[in-house]
Amino acid sequence: AQTVTQSQPEMSVQEAETVTLSCTYDTSESDYYLFWYKQPPSRQMILVIRQEAYKQQNATENRFSVNFQKAAKSFSLKISDSQLGDAAMYFCAYRSAGDYKLSFGAGTTVTVRA
Amino acid sequence: GAGVSQSPRYKVAKRGQDVALRCDPISGHVSLFWYQQALGQGPEFLTYFQNEAQLDKSGLPSDRFFAERPEGSVSTLKIQRTQQEDSAVYLCASSRVQGPAQPQHFGDGTRLSIL
Repeated sequence: AQTVTQSQPEMSVQEAETVTLSCTYDTSESDYYLFWYKQPPSRQMILVIRQEAYKQQNATENRFSVNFQKAAKSFSLKISDSQLGDAAMYFCAYRSAGDYKLSFGAGTTVTVRA
Repeated sequence: GAGVSQSPRYKVAKRGQDVALRCDPISGHVSLFWYQQALGQGPEFLTYFQNEAQLDKSGLPSDRFFAERPEGSVSTLKIQRTQQEDSAVYLCASSRVQGPAQPQHFGDGTRLSIL
């Protein structure tokens, strides 16, 4: 079974500043996908960014980017120019290439200070 | 519809009662997933459907949990003889086709509280 670990229960960031959320995972597989999901108080899980393990290049989506270190099994999310609307719980998730279910970490709550 | 729709949004039941939670996936989506999210935790996989076939129910915590998707669209998660530990948010997700690269689109969830 895959284990996804998010070691930061809470993070706080000043508006317009940058925050980095950490995620590590444990797997014996070489082909997999990693995701960051955002869950605001409305509870809907929204996909923020996705990374294929076979791609060397780090994924980027507007103000969101990842630092994927395959050897270290690390997948951190950087939120640049933080906005009040970024406040939410963020989940790191893993999905094997041969599987369909997502394995989630425990989440990191991000607070944005005005 | 535009997104995954779940109902009810909130459900309160007394211990021992049966409950049914509904998920209406995005039209045309083949794959459907149920996850259970305890307070302050990440979602955990319960079960997976491809069309009407339930291909994986390994995450269902006990035989009190039952899911169905008889016509390959709407799905119902039923919990019989509810217990306090069943209190959680139940999330439904769907994806267009089966495949690890396919994003799963989530609904708003049903928050179940067992008194």
